[in-house]
Amino acid sequence: DADVTQTPRNRITKTGKRIMLECSQTKGHDRMYWYRQDPGLGLRLIYYSFDVKDINKGEISDGYSVSRQAQAKFSLSLESAIPNQTALYFCATRGQGDTIYFGEGSWLTVV
Amino acid sequence: GIQVEQSPPDLILQEGANSTLRCNFSDSVNNLQWFHQNPWGQLINLFYIPSGTKQNGRLSATTVATERYSLLYISSSQTTDSGVYFCAGGGAGGTSYGKLTFGQGTILTVHP
Repeated sequence: DADVTQTPRNRITKTGKRIMLECSQTKGHDRMYWYRQDPGLGLRLIYYSFDVKDINKGEISDGYSVSRQAQAKFSLSLESAIPNQTALYFCATRGQGDTIYFGEGSWLTVV
Repeated sequence: GIQVEQSPPDLILQEGANSTLRCNFSDSVNNLQWFHQNPWGQLINLFYIPSGTKQNGRLSATTVATERYSLLYISSSQTTDSGVYFCAGGGAGGTSYGKLTFGQGTILTVHP
């Protein structure tokens, strides 16, 4: 089983709909991240959290919100999806050793 | 924030060839890492290398922190090496703490 699990792996949704991407990890790490990948732009940080009570905006947080329900769970929500939020989304965790571990990615298409 | 520049943007090799990928940072970084994204989109951590040199099989990496760059070497390339290679690093403190900024990647294609 993967250490960092994302659900759903693929989703097509309509403009204006609310969608949640969920992430769970079994590595026991405190630090969790959500990144977005667009072709030719690498990965850009949306939100990150250093523990259950800590939420921080990344470089592209507008239009997104997050919830850190437990140490192992970090969910990303699009309250009202728009087509330019079509992208590959990654959840990641990082422990004290600083190595970062990514989930398998969630392909989101907004039509 | 920190800027990360990778070169070359694209690289095409014949199987068995060697290659060097470069990553330059606009400022001092810690927790520098290299990743490989395979054609199915999975991101695999190759090296955590804030300084010095590490080797793992046919891959090795060197980071010269004082000059703000890192190199990834691929020797005897194989078709399975194809994909996108990313480097990423974070600032040493302040608002950059704990975050990783990614380069735009090098797209590697290895032909049989």
